[in-house]
Amino acid sequence: DGGITQSPKYLFRKEGQNVTLSCEQNLNHDAMYWYRQDPGQGLRLIYYSQIVNDFQKGDIAEGYSVSREKKESFPLTVTSAQKNPTAFYLCASNRQVNNYGYTFGSGTRLTVV
Amino acid sequence: DQQVKQNSPSLSVQEGRISILNCDYTNSMFDYFLWYKKYPAEGPTFLISISSIKDKNEDGRFTVFLNKSAKHLSLHIVPSQPGDSAVYFCAASGPAYGGSQGNLIFGKGTKLSVKP
Repeated sequence: DGGITQSPKYLFRKEGQNVTLSCEQNLNHDAMYWYRQDPGQGLRLIYYSQIVNDFQKGDIAEGYSVSREKKESFPLTVTSAQKNPTAFYLCASNRQVNNYGYTFGSGTRLTVV
Repeated sequence: DQQVKQNSPSLSVQEGRISILNCDYTNSMFDYFLWYKKYPAEGPTFLISISSIKDKNEDGRFTVFLNKSAKHLSLHIVPSQPGDSAVYFCAASGPAYGGSQGNLIFGKGTKLSVKP
């Protein structure tokens, strides 16, 4: 079955450490996205990538970094510069830009301890 | 400044009755609207969408209405079932949203509880 896989589902990080969240898709989708969800908040866009080796900042990119070396993979690194990293992170993809049929992964819950 | 607003954080309805979830937006350039459903600890799943050239789109028990003059859309679920209990996100997109062309802007969500 095609889909998006996010791993791990739960992640704990010590303050001051960088951590990388994995997102892999086998849908042959061109565009991939990272969103963050906080309690009582909507989904806020962190970074997105429309094609391999290219990505753009979203609304809340500070403290995060991404790479898109392969079409299937779009890892997100939460750096120590991110002041409030504890959140639920969602990865999504769609077939092409301006096609709004996003497919979401099941998410990663990151907790800073 | 929120461009997509869901002013009701929660809604409770009886099984079999109608559920109406509301969403308001401020950007008149939005031209496509979607509803997503989300269960706890899972990713959102696409439910239904509507283009700004339409005022209604129906899919089974789900109907979305768009009132462009009021910048308002609503999702109707009839009849409501306990399995519909989830958080529903309204999302919008359009060509003029800053540099994030084509990206979705989400509301904060409404938690629907359907009681048996």
